[in-house]
Amino acid sequence: KNEVEQSPQNLTAQEGEFITINCSYSVGISALHWLQQHPGGGIVSLFMLSSGKKKHGRLIATINIQEKHSSLHITASHPRDSAVYICAVRGSARQLTFGSGTQLTVLP
Amino acid sequence: ETGVTQTPRHLVMGMTNKKSLKCEQHLGHNAMYWYKQSAKKPLELMFVYNFKEQTENNSVPSRFSPECPNSSHLFLHLHTLQPEDSALYLCASSQDTGAFEAFFGQGTRLTVV
Repeated sequence: KNEVEQSPQNLTAQEGEFITINCSYSVGISALHWLQQHPGGGIVSLFMLSSGKKKHGRLIATINIQEKHSSLHITASHPRDSAVYICAVRGSARQLTFGSGTQLTVLP
Repeated sequence: ETGVTQTPRHLVMGMTNKKSLKCEQHLGHNAMYWYKQSAKKPLELMFVYNFKEQTENNSVPSRFSPECPNSSHLFLHLHTLQPEDSALYLCASSQDTGAFEAFFGQGTRLTVV
């Protein structure tokens, strides 16, 4: 069974700061997802990665397959980025295994 | 807006009540999922349906009963729940169970009193 560890669990930043959230997993995967969950509960897919790096606006996601590690970066953070960020991996069983999430609060 | 709609958004029910959660998608997806999210815990997969057939039951207690009448609709029937069943219940869909990307609904916040 794949174990997915996220760090930190909670993160508070000032507006404008550069933010990094980390995700490590224990066994090989076919894809890794970064998800964003807003206070209302709905989940939005931010990125799906199987290698390398992806960028969308102020968000950047990287993955190192050899080290079984991924990072989500937010540049020039804004209070509207406040949410729970969840890492999920898809292994050989094809189902997603989720991390516990990182609660991000960006203060104005 | 992800294209997956859940109703109701909030539900309070007593332990002797019977209620149902509804999920609807018109994305043309064939796979639908129920997840449970308890406070401070990772999302837990409950049930998977693919082409209206249940393909996975993740050891969920029988007080939770799923129903998938067609590929666009998924229900979760609830009866004689316990307070520890209070959680956010999320529905998701994907093209099929082998698809990489899943789309999630807004969730139903369930409180059992």
